[in-house]
Amino acid sequence: AQKVTQAQTEISVVEKEDVTLDCVYETRDTTYYLFWYKQPPSGELVFLIRRNSFDEQNEISGRYSWNFQKSTSSFNFTITASQVVDSAVYFCALSENFGNEKLTFGTGTRLTIIP
Amino acid sequence: ETGVTQTPRHLVMGMTNKKSLKCEQHLGHNAMYWYKQSAKKPLELMFVYNFKEQTENNSVPSRFSPECPNSSHLFLHLHTLQPEDSALYLCASSHSDRGSLNTEAFFGQGTRLTVV
Repeated sequence: AQKVTQAQTEISVVEKEDVTLDCVYETRDTTYYLFWYKQPPSGELVFLIRRNSFDEQNEISGRYSWNFQKSTSSFNFTITASQVVDSAVYFCALSENFGNEKLTFGTGTRLTIIP
Repeated sequence: ETGVTQTPRHLVMGMTNKKSLKCEQHLGHNAMYWYKQSAKKPLELMFVYNFKEQTENNSVPSRFSPECPNSSHLFLHLHTLQPEDSALYLCASSHSDRGSLNTEAFFGQGTRLTVV
């Protein structure tokens, strides 16, 4: 069975600080995909990134970066120089094989950036 | 403006009512999904439609009945719900070519349902 654990329920940081959101996953599949989604107060989930299990290269996109480590089954997300607009709930998710038809989500981390 | 539109945004219904949630996607996708988001619980996949065919029913009670008349529209018909069904219901869509790499899922803003 697949499982995604986001141990941090809520995090608050002062604006411009760096913050890392943790994600640990469990799966028996050798091929899988990992995702991060952002849910702002408006409700919709906004796709941030997808990584496949064969690509362990870290990725950077602007102020966002992701650290994928198969050895520890973790896919952590770091926001550098946080901004108030980063305040949202962030979800880590896992899907088997190729599709996202069976996305397994974590419980989310509510991030609050204090001005 | 989101490519996935859900209506209504908020719904309050009694346990004996019948209502429907609507989802429309303008992205040319061929797979659509219903998710349930309850407080302090992970998002739960409810139904998946691929090419208008239901391919996944994640042990959802029969009081929830999905309908997918075409690849752009998805409905969730509700009847005799319980208060514990109160949640945010999210619709999503993606491109699926049945065996190769699918696109990521795009989500709507959800319908906040309250059952009284």
